[in-house]
Amino acid sequence: GNSVTQMEGPVTLSEEAFLTINCTYTATGYPSLFWYVQYPGEGLQLLLKATKADDKGSNKGFEATYRKETTSFHLEKGSVQVSDSAVYFCALSSPGAGSYQLTFGKGTKLSVIP
Amino acid sequence: NAGVTQTPKFRILKIGQSMTLQCTQDMNHNYMYWYRQDPGMGLKLIYYSVGAGITDKGEVPNGYNVSRSTTEDFPLRLELAAPSQTSVYFCASSQDRGNTIYFGEGSWLTVV
Repeated sequence: GNSVTQMEGPVTLSEEAFLTINCTYTATGYPSLFWYVQYPGEGLQLLLKATKADDKGSNKGFEATYRKETTSFHLEKGSVQVSDSAVYFCALSSPGAGSYQLTFGKGTKLSVIP
Repeated sequence: NAGVTQTPKFRILKIGQSMTLQCTQDMNHNYMYWYRQDPGMGLKLIYYSVGAGITDKGEVPNGYNVSRSTTEDFPLRLELAAPSQTSVYFCASSQDRGNTIYFGEGSWLTVV
C-alpha cells in the first residue's frame, strides 16, 4: 500500500535560518505529491504540490521537487519567519481507484524563534 | 468566502452518547471527505462521497456513519461514542478526483 514517511519533529529554528523537512514515499504508479500546512487551531491548507517527476512546487518561498529516483519530496525554504511556525504534512495521491484520498505523513512541527 | 464549514468546533461527549458533526461546502464540489487526526499522527480517511447519494468507507469507518443528501452537506454521525473516538475531525472537499482538497477548520471531540 501507499505510505509517506517524514522526518520526526519538533524542529526549532531561528528566524532567517534554512529549512529542510524530509519526506519519502512508497506508492504504486505515479503519485501526485503535496505539502499541507496546519497553523495552530486551524485546518490544513495546501502549501504546494507536484504531479509528475522533476516538477517543482513552490509557494510563499517554500519549494519541493518531485524526485522519482529517490522517491522523495523534501520541503525547503531559504529563510524562515516566525509566521512559518506550524505543522507541515507531506501527502500523496496515487492514480487508480484510490486516488480519491490522500495518504498523509505524521506531520512535522516547526517552531521559529525570533 | 466560506469554503468548508464544520460545526461544532469543540464537543465533549460521554461514553455511549451519540452526536453528529455537521459539514457544508459552498464550492459546488463533487467529492467530500471526513478525516480524523490523532495526536502525532497523520490524517486517516473515515468516509468519503463522490456525489449526492453516494458514500463509501475509507480506512477507519468503524463507529461512524455518513449521508450525502445534497451536494453541499456531508454530516458524520457517531452512534455510540467510545474513548477511542477522541480525536480532531476534519471535513474536506474537492471538485474531482485528483484535484486540490480543501479542509475545514476541524472539530475537537473528547469522549469521557
